Amino acid sequence: DTGVSQNPRHKITKRGQNVTFRCDPISEHNRLYWYRQTLGQGPEFLTYFQNEAQLEKSRLLSDRFSAERPKGSFSTLEIQRTEQGDSAMYLCASSSLAVGELFFGEGSRLTVL
Amino acid sequence: AQSVAQPEDQVNVAEGNPLTVKCTYSVSGNPYLFWYVQYPNRGLQFLLKYITGDNLVKGSYGFEAEFNKSQTSFHLKKPSALVSDSALYFCAVRDNTNAGKSTFGDGTTLTVKP
Repeated sequence: DTGVSQNPRHKITKRGQNVTFRCDPISEHNRLYWYRQTLGQGPEFLTYFQNEAQLEKSRLLSDRFSAERPKGSFSTLEIQRTEQGDSAMYLCASSSLAVGELFFGEGSRLTVL
Repeated sequence: AQSVAQPEDQVNVAEGNPLTVKCTYSVSGNPYLFWYVQYPNRGLQFLLKYITGDNLVKGSYGFEAEFNKSQTSFHLKKPSALVSDSALYFCAVRDNTNAGKSTFGDGTTLTVKP
């Protein structure tokens, strides 16, 4: 069991730059989720995919954020024109069932200077 | 809309004593409820879930939780705490009419002292 893999684990960037995070879910899982977590807060839902279809996107997510899962396997989360407020841990999770528990990766920490 | 409240930021217990971490929820339909644990510098790990059936569910590492529909609660319990249980615990809820997102509470830090 290789688990959910996220890369890079830590990204430091300057305000205004674009960043991209990659998530490789557990291979047999058809659902993939992105969450954001800041210190002292629980994970905040961003978006989720079933296979390659993006089924839900948080209304809190600005147009600078975009996610893809082109072949229903790995996913990317891109943040354009980063702002200091984007600094957070970006979590990816996958699951195999509609009511199943989430399996999380260890996260990608973004620091925007 | 769905939401979760974890009223205690921190819970402190002595090793060997029982522990309870509280969670209340709000959903439109019937809830699916989950507990996750996060150790320092590690990802969230699933502990247990309630989908349907018996209100008392058992999970990993000796933890259990009781679903109480009338009180809209899903408190996490363990009869005898271990120092190694010290971690950050998150409760999460999903509405059964929305198979998508889970909504998480803000977490409770459990500290078990020897």
